[in-house]
This record gives sequence, C-alpha cells and structure tokens, in this order.
Amino acid sequence: EDQVTQSPEALRLQEGESSSLNCSYTVSGLRGLFWYRQDPGKGPEFLFTLYSAGEEKEKERLKATLTKKESFLHITAPKPEDSATYLCAVQALVGSEKLVFGKGTKLTVNP
Amino acid sequence: KAGVTQTPRYLIKTRGQQVTLSCSPISGHRSVSWYQQTPGQGLQFLFEYFSETQRNKGNFPGRFSGRQFSNSRSEMNVSTLELGDSALYLCASSSRTGDGYTFGSGTRLTVV
Repeated sequence: EDQVTQSPEALRLQEGESSSLNCSYTVSGLRGLFWYRQDPGKGPEFLFTLYSAGEEKEKERLKATLTKKESFLHITAPKPEDSATYLCAVQALVGSEKLVFGKGTKLTVNP
Repeated sequence: KAGVTQTPRYLIKTRGQQVTLSCSPISGHRSVSWYQQTPGQGLQFLFEYFSETQRNKGNFPGRFSGRQFSNSRSEMNVSTLELGDSALYLCASSSRTGDGYTFGSGTRLTVV
C-alpha cells in the first residue's frame, strides 16, 4: 500500500531561520510527488511536482528535492507569510491515479 | 482564469439526513477528484471522475457517491449522515494526470 510520512508534524522558526521539511514515501512506482501549501480554512495550493530522483524545483524561498525514498522542502530565510501547513502527496505509476497524502507539517514563522 | 469553485462553503446537517456538494472545475479540466479532510486522518481520496466516468474510488462506504456531468461539473452525495462525516470536503481538477491538481476551497460539513 502506498504511504507518505511527513516530519516534523510541527515546526517553529524565527524569521530568516532556514530549515527543511521531510516527506518519506513508499509507492509501487512513482508517477509524481506533489507539494502543496494549505492555509487555515482554505484548500491546498499547488507548489511543485517532482517526477524522478535527482529532480529539483524552486519557487521564491522554497526548493523541493527528490530521492528514491524521500523528498525535502527547503525553506530559505522564511518570512511570517510562509506560515502554513505543507502537504506532500504521491501518485502511483500504475493503478489508481489518486493522490496519497501525508498528514502535513505545520510551519509557524515568528517575526 | 477562474479556479475550482465549490458550493456551498459551509453546511450543517442532522444525523440521518443526506447532503449534496457541488464542484465546478477549471474551464477545460475534465478530471475531477474528491477528498475528505479531517484532523485525524488528513486528506483521504473519495473518488475521481473523467469525462463523466468514475475511474477510481477510495475506501469509503456506499453512502458516499458522486457523478460528473457533460460540462465536467461534479457533485458528491452523502446519504444517512453520521457524526463522523463531519469534515472538509475538497474537490480538485486537472487537465491531465500528473499535471498538478488545483483544489477548491472546500465545503465544511458539520453533522450534528
């Protein structure tokens, strides 16, 4: 069964303090790994899709990387507006095209 | 361009009632998926529709059903509501598999 585990569950940073969020996954052939950001009371907002090990993508202060077993979301010099829950999901290559989500990392950036 | 629209945003229902939630995907998107989000279980896949056909279904009881119309709009229905059905129901649309799924803001269902 496809599984996604995110760590830590919660993370508090000071503004400007860089860190990384982890997403470990097991999947029977990876079609894609997705990162989303979710603010309270809203739906997840798409950030990145990664398809193969070694791939990296960047957007402003965020950089996502992928290995065969895990993905990292690096946050460089975060600002308070980066506070949100970050969700990781995988989609298998065969079978159902559903996204299997981790439970997320709740990030709080203090000014 | 307009995003994924879900209506209503909030709903309060009594145990035993049924409810219908609506989702209008991004124009041109033919794939629509539904997810249930709860604090304990996170996001769980309900079902996916493509061109009016249900392609996949998650591990939910038969009380959960859905459909997609020819204009790609989708509805999901929950019958005989239980307290445990209280959740945020999210709809996502995509132009093609693996291209990134755009989520709506969700419908917050409270069963009392």
